[in-house]
Amino acid sequence: QVQLQQWGAGLLKPSETLSLTCAVYGGSFSGYYWSWIRQPPGKGLEWIGEINHSGSTNYNPSLKSRVTISVDTSKNQFSLKLSSVTAADTAVYYCARGIRRKYCSGGSCYSVHFDYWGQGTLVTVSS
Amino acid sequence: DIVMTQTPLSSPVTLGQPASISCRSSQSLVHSDGNTYLSWLQQRPGQPPRLLIYKISNRFSGVPDRFSGSGAGTDFTLKISRVEAEDVGVYYCMQATQFPQTFGQGTKVEIK
Repeated sequence: QVQLQQWGAGLLKPSETLSLTCAVYGGSFSGYYWSWIRQPPGKGLEWIGEINHSGSTNYNPSLKSRVTISVDTSKNQFSLKLSSVTAADTAVYYCARGIRRKYCSGGSCYSVHFDYWGQGTLVTVSS
Repeated sequence: DIVMTQTPLSSPVTLGQPASISCRSSQSLVHSDGNTYLSWLQQRPGQPPRLLIYKISNRFSGVPDRFSGSGAGTDFTLKISRVEAEDVGVYYCMQATQFPQTFGQGTKVEIK
C-alpha cells in the first residue's frame, strides 16, 4: 500500500520561504511524478508542480518563478520550496503521486491523474 | 489554461437516491494520443482528495461500482447510482489533456 507522509512549517511571515517535504512508503519511487497541489481555505485545488525520480520537473507557469521542487531518491522523499510567500499562499498543501501518460517524451510528460495523496499540511502566511 | 466548470455547485440528495454532477471544459479534452484525460476526485470533510475515476470512466482501485463516469469532448458526468452517507463531500473534476492540469471548482454533495 502506497502512503505519502508530509511535514513542514505551518506558520510563515510574508516574504519568507515555504518548505515542505513528503516521504513515500510502499510501491516504487521510479516511474511516477511526485506532485504538490494546494487548496486555499474553502476553495478549490491548484496544481503547483512535480518531479520524477531522475529530477525532471514540471511547474505551473503561474507559480514557476517562485517554486523549486527537489527529490532525494536515497530516502524516497521530495520537497517543495515556495519563495516570497504572501497571504495569498495560505492553503493546505498536499503531496500526491502522479501517473504519467504511457507514451510521452520530454516536455510532453506530466501527470494525467493523481492516485495517492498525503494528509495535507496547512500553511498560514501572516505577519 | 483550460477552464473546468462544474454544475451544480451544491447537490442535496436523499439517501439511496441517485446523484449526478456535470463538468464542462472550455476546450475539447481529446488528446492527440486518442485518450481523454478527465478524472474525478472525492474530498470528504477534513480529508485529502481521493481518486475515483480516471480517463472519463475507469474506476480506481477500491472505488464502489455505484460511482460511474461518462462523457466525451467537452462534457462529462459523474453519477452516483444510490447515495450513501459516506458519499458526503466535495467532488472535483480535473483535466490533464493540456498542461497545466486544472480542476473544476467543486460540487458539494450533502444529504437532504
